Amino acid sequence: GQQVMQIPQYQHVQEGEDFTTYCNSSTTLSNIQWYKQRPGGHPVFLIQLVKSGEVKKQKRLTFQFGEAKKNSSLHITATQTTDVGTYFCALLINQAGTALIFGKGTTLSVSS
Amino acid sequence: KAGVTQTPRYLIKTRGQQVTLSCSPISGHRSVSWYQQTPGQGLQFLFEYFSETQRNKGNFPGRFSGRQFSNSRSEMNVSTLELGDSALYLCASSSLSGGNYNEQFFGPGTRLTVL
Repeated sequence: GQQVMQIPQYQHVQEGEDFTTYCNSSTTLSNIQWYKQRPGGHPVFLIQLVKSGEVKKQKRLTFQFGEAKKNSSLHITATQTTDVGTYFCALLINQAGTALIFGKGTTLSVSS
Repeated sequence: KAGVTQTPRYLIKTRGQQVTLSCSPISGHRSVSWYQQTPGQGLQFLFEYFSETQRNKGNFPGRFSGRQFSNSRSEMNVSTLELGDSALYLCASSSLSGGNYNEQFFGPGTRLTVL
């Protein structure tokens, strides 16, 4: 079945530094979604990428979908303590439904 | 609009018992998915229901089952509980039937502890 590898598993940064997490697949993806889970919370949808080479921005967050649609990245500029949490990429199991396969996630910690 | 609700929020059971978890999706959402989250395995898909029909099923043993009612509420059942079933069980609902845009709205989860 489909799988997606996410790296790094953990990342600690000083407040103000940048952060990037990567998702890689061996197969071409139809789309990829990103979620954030705060400590003690539940996953919250951030964005969905569909097009090859797509780049989307949400304030300090930049999401990219690779040209070959086999990888994606989430970049946070000038991290803040509010960015703490685990970031997951996820892909549809199939086009017939809405169920997702999640990457293992990257846990971000930020010290001020 | 009220979010996804899950009951109970916390549950403690002993090995061999069975448990039923409930999920009420956002009003109007017909797709409900269940996930198991553990520190070791991460977020793993259990099953998905749409209009009372199981549409997708993850790689879990038959002890894990679910159903969806006509009002889109869903339940999942785990029989003959094992220690390894201790996890956060998350329910997610979606407004679309599938395809290229299907944001999942997650509930707060049910924290199951098996002793």
